[in-house]
Amino acid sequence: DTAVSQTPKYLVTQMGNDKSIKCEQNLGHDTMYWYKQDSKKFLKIMFSYNNKELIINETVPNRFSPKSPDKAHLNLHINSLELGDSAVYFCASSQIGPSTDTQYFGPGTRLTVL
Amino acid sequence: GIQVEQSPPDLILQEGANSTLRCNFSDSVNNLQWFHQNPWGQLINLFYIPSGTKQNGRLSATTVATERYSLLYISSSQTTDSGVYFCAVERWNTDKLIFGTGTRLQVFP
Repeated sequence: DTAVSQTPKYLVTQMGNDKSIKCEQNLGHDTMYWYKQDSKKFLKIMFSYNNKELIINETVPNRFSPKSPDKAHLNLHINSLELGDSAVYFCASSQIGPSTDTQYFGPGTRLTVL
Repeated sequence: GIQVEQSPPDLILQEGANSTLRCNFSDSVNNLQWFHQNPWGQLINLFYIPSGTKQNGRLSATTVATERYSLLYISSSQTTDSGVYFCAVERWNTDKLIFGTGTRLQVFP
């Protein structure tokens, strides 16, 4: 039983193309996130959604557009890909409560822009 | 913004050794989590520990929120403990985790 799944696992594409990464969680969580991990392993939050509503947008270029069709899915669409977009993108989910906010991560999508 | 620093940046151990990883943060937080990223890239949550002490098998963690640090203890390390350990914190009412710089652990047989 995969709790947080992402597709595809690897994505290799040319500069200027548009691509999407899909994320699904079956944990019943209300909140979902996208993170970017660069080549130095630094992890930074990009977006978070709570019940399909955008909560956090961390000064990410508007070429990145998240979409949440329902609270179990949070997809990431990237337009006009640039070399600097190469990274590993992680989706995560959590259920925020009074004594817990544990985040569960997907396996990551390694994006390479040539 | 809040600064999250982890030490040491790199740690090399022989199987069976114990280790302590440290996370210092620069502001009050209401959320602190420890993660392990294995050599295949998977991020696994180890502890949700904004304060106090928790234990899970060979791992334990302690957060002293008033002094703005957290410690992760690994006892009797195994090769499967290798990877990068991240601490992540959330400042009050910001709804976002800020990740530390990580500690890369290598355990050799």
